[in-house]
Parts: sequence; C-alpha cells; structure tokens
Amino acid sequence: DTEVTQTPKHLVMGMTNKKSLKCEQHMGHRAMYWYKQKAKKPPELMFVYSYEKLSINESVPSRFSPECPNSSLLNLHLHALQPEDSALYLCASSQVGTGGNGELFFGEGSRLTVL
Amino acid sequence: AQSVAQPEDQVNVAEGNPLTVKCTYSVSGNPYLFWYVQYPNRGLQFLLKYITGDNLVKGSYGFEAEFNKSQTSFHLKKPSALVSDSALYFCARRDGGATNKLIFGTGTLLAVQP
Repeated sequence: DTEVTQTPKHLVMGMTNKKSLKCEQHMGHRAMYWYKQKAKKPPELMFVYSYEKLSINESVPSRFSPECPNSSLLNLHLHALQPEDSALYLCASSQVGTGGNGELFFGEGSRLTVL
Repeated sequence: AQSVAQPEDQVNVAEGNPLTVKCTYSVSGNPYLFWYVQYPNRGLQFLLKYITGDNLVKGSYGFEAEFNKSQTSFHLKKPSALVSDSALYFCARRDGGATNKLIFGTGTLLAVQP
C-alpha cells in the first residue's frame, strides 16, 4: 500500500470549473512533487516543493496553481483547464538532498478528465 | 543531453522464461539510477535503485538490475517471469540538486504470456 494518499481518484470538470487535487504523506518527507502523465507515457515533472517552498516550476501554465500548506500536504488548484490537460496527475514525496538517495514515493494518482 | 533511454517499447516473454528490460544512460559522473513499475490505472511503484557499491542490485518482487559502467547500462532482469509481472516499466535517473528530481525514460511495456 502506498503511503502517499491522493484525492480524488477521479475528477471530471468543465473548462470553466475550479477544482483541487490533494496529496498527503506522513513519512516526514520534506520534498513533494507533482507529475503529469499521459497514457503509456512517462511522468512529466510539473512542480517541486522543498521545505514547503516552491523550488521548481517546469514552465507549467498558470491555470495550474500548486500550494504546500504544510510539510504533509500538497494541493494542485485547477482553473480554466483545457481538454488536453486530461491526464493522470501523480503526487510524490522524498527526503531532501542525498539523505534519501533519490527514491520517490508515489501516490496512486488522480485521473482528471476535462470536458 | 543527459538522459536515460529505453530502446524497446514492448517486451514479450513467456511465463517462466527469464526477462530483461533494457535501459541505458548518458550522464557524467556517478549516476543515481532507478526502476519503477506501473500497473494499469495505478501509480508508480519503486522496484530498485543503484547509488553506489555492488553492481548487482536486488529489488522487490524478485527483480534485479546490473549496473554496467563500461556499457552505460542498467538493465532490469528477472530469472522467471510471471503473468502478473505484465506492466509498464520505467527507468529513471536522479537529476541532481537539492531535490531528488527524477527524469524518466520512455517506458517499456512488458507482456508476459501464459
């Protein structure tokens, strides 16, 4: 069983809706990640938070807005999405730096469909 | 560009036969390399990693991988495949820096026939 919990598992939204994806971990990790994955493709990094501060934004459109309210929680706020944004959104966490030797722990993902 | 490559989109193997899923890397210095597996409609599960030390790394579910510096490869292997091993496999490397950002290969779909 994964120790990274993502909700909801499935989300259908219209292009004018505002919704949020949530991620929670209790492993004491201080780095958290959002990845986007299209069917049968590798995950693509979107954002990285380190010690609750945004450290990497991979030029993601502003209709995706991440938030890290505390060391255990990571949100992804969605607004005015496009149908091409439909994908599996994966949250992951890890130790910061070399302490964890780079291993990421992934959640099960939130499957988003934009109509 | 520094990356990992998975040359096979799909690997087919009969149950009980050995399997190999290939990965090559191009990175200067000592790479941190990983294998993840993804079952249908699931997240990614960590299988094993190479950081340093013994070139043969053993991981979950009977999988192992051999780090070969001269061939810049990190192939995933299992002596006897199971139908339940059928899944999408990703090789990845750590990008460096303070966070453990991972760069993934394109993935290899493993199909194990009964």
